[in-house]
Amino acid sequence: SQQGEEDPQALSIQEGENATMNCSYKTSINNLQWYRQNSGRGLVHLILIRSNEREKHSGRLRVTLDTSKKSSSLLITASRAADTASYFCATALQGAQKLVFGQGTRLTINP
Amino acid sequence: SQTIHQWPATLVQPVGSPLSLECTVEGTSNPNLYWYRQAAGRGLQLLFYSVGIGQISSEVPQNLSASRPQDRQFILSSKKLLLSDSGFYLCAWSRDSYNEQFFGPGTRLTVL
Repeated sequence: SQQGEEDPQALSIQEGENATMNCSYKTSINNLQWYRQNSGRGLVHLILIRSNEREKHSGRLRVTLDTSKKSSSLLITASRAADTASYFCATALQGAQKLVFGQGTRLTINP
Repeated sequence: SQTIHQWPATLVQPVGSPLSLECTVEGTSNPNLYWYRQAAGRGLQLLFYSVGIGQISSEVPQNLSASRPQDRQFILSSKKLLLSDSGFYLCAWSRDSYNEQFFGPGTRLTVL
């Protein structure tokens, strides 16, 4: 099974609402990262949270990390149509030289 | 500032033909380099990564190979393409294994 699994697989909300996506993982991590991908484009890094951090903010983004539950959440507040994209979590495993990406959450913001 | 280039942007190739996708990074030295493949509507599958010239780690046994002939150049190759090689290929770089990765624009490969 996947190291990083996002939930839900797809999310559709109205503009102005908040969007929450979750990510679960299985092994010890150095950090967890969130990326965004617009259709047909490369991924763009959004935020990195280290294993000793519990919460991090960047603009309208809020990321939490619960290492005891091996889970993270990404909250996008006051969503906009331009937030429509796929969002991926990626875990940097302890001792590894790579990131492991989840399957992503496809977010649709309806105007 | 750093930039990452991939080409071509799109490619249509017949089954059994060779493949060469190129990725170059500017504005940094000794980057970690990565090749990913993404099937439609799916996550990223790591294919190869490299932490230095001539050092290639393969993640999945398959019909593809990678080379790093120069510090900031990463090439993905195949001698004979299969239908299953179709997909969206992404190159990325990072300063080290734990930090954020910066992605190129991708190459959409269709094998017919």
